[in-house]
Amino acid sequence: RKEVEQDPGPFNVPEGATVAFNCTYSNSASQSFFWYRQDCRKEPKLLMSVYSSGNEDGRFTAQLNRASQYISLLIRDSKLSDSATYLCVVNGRDDKIIFGKGTRLHILP
Amino acid sequence: DAEITQSPRHKITETGRQVTLACHQTWNHNNMFWYRQDLGHGLRLIHYSYGVQDTNKGEVSDGYSVSRSNTEDLPLTLESAASSQTSVYFCASSSPGQGAFFGQGTRLTVV
Repeated sequence: RKEVEQDPGPFNVPEGATVAFNCTYSNSASQSFFWYRQDCRKEPKLLMSVYSSGNEDGRFTAQLNRASQYISLLIRDSKLSDSATYLCVVNGRDDKIIFGKGTRLHILP
Repeated sequence: DAEITQSPRHKITETGRQVTLACHQTWNHNNMFWYRQDLGHGLRLIHYSYGVQDTNKGEVSDGYSVSRSNTEDLPLTLESAASSQTSVYFCASSSPGQGAFFGQGTRLTVV
């Protein structure tokens, strides 16, 4: 089983719709979780951290489910500018940062 | 402002040559990482370091080496460049338990 798994997509979503991604991780000892955004093979940029209590940043909501070992990202009222690849990231107890392969999102006008 | 920079941004080299990619961060982070990214493979960890004089192999370390003589720098060396090492290389740094910050990447072509 891969350490971090994501559905590669692409997700083709009309502008204004809500879209959700999930990501699963294999190491139950993982400590920290993040979502990153990457545009056209530019460097990944930190979108938000993910906490068990759930956290929200504007139109973006992230959630961690430790029992089932998955994290999620919800994007509401999607914009054309949200088109990108979204990377799930897990930090182990050893601080090694492991990336999922990413989920491609295309917002359609 | 603190930052992480990579150089060169673009490099073309010949098969068999030794190549070194530079990574310099001013975040004062102990943790530094090198990744490569190819279409269809996502980001793959090459080497990482938790501090000065510490280096560790990642999942695709064959043909690469790193050294950490100070906190700010983690140069990546390709001992004898091969066409299979044509890729985009990203360097990142982080604090324990925190998200990582990335350099802008180096596009390496081996001909």
